[in-house]
Amino acid sequence: DVKVTQSSRYLVKRTGEKVFLECVQDMDHENMFWYRQDPGLGLRLIYFSYDVKMKEKGDIPEGYSVSREKKERFSLILESASTNQTSMYLCASGLALDEQFFGPGTRLTVL
Amino acid sequence: RKEVEQDPGPFNVPEGATVAFNCTYSNSASQSFFWYRQDCRKEPKLLMSVYSSGNEDGRFTAQLNRASQYISLLIRDSKLSDSATYLCVVNNKGYQKVTFGTGTKLQVIP
Repeated sequence: DVKVTQSSRYLVKRTGEKVFLECVQDMDHENMFWYRQDPGLGLRLIYFSYDVKMKEKGDIPEGYSVSREKKERFSLILESASTNQTSMYLCASGLALDEQFFGPGTRLTVL
Repeated sequence: RKEVEQDPGPFNVPEGATVAFNCTYSNSASQSFFWYRQDCRKEPKLLMSVYSSGNEDGRFTAQLNRASQYISLLIRDSKLSDSATYLCVVNNKGYQKVTFGTGTKLQVIP
């Protein structure tokens, strides 16, 4: 079974803090994605990566950056967390643009 | 117009009923289509891909109508365990990302 793991299920941070969300997949997938999910807005793509050290902006990259130093790991960074970044963050990976396998999500609260 | 639009529901149906959801997409160049299922407080999981010729998996049937730019999901003989949010997903040709709809919530009631 494909496994995508995320570093935390729940996270509480303060405004202005730097936040790291880690995602690891064990199936040697080239593509990895970071989404946030908010009520009424659905899943929105923040960044994705189709290879090590490669990254592409998604639909809402502002306030975020990413890092992919190894194929299995894709990190999302909030340089200076703000309250409007309170959300559920979902990481996904996949071989192509067909099936994406999601991690369990990190519910981030910024106070 | 949103790239992908779904009726948010909720659709409340009795066990054993047949229910259908539609999803419209705005880009006529869209190439691949999928339905994902997301249970409450869980991550989305692929339910089925949608092919031009339509496809069926047990009680689930997915269809694509390119002329009218929508995809549909039909669930026959609904079970309580079918209660979930169903997400429509569209990939546009030449792009390496997909777009998710906001989901349609289904509640099957005994």
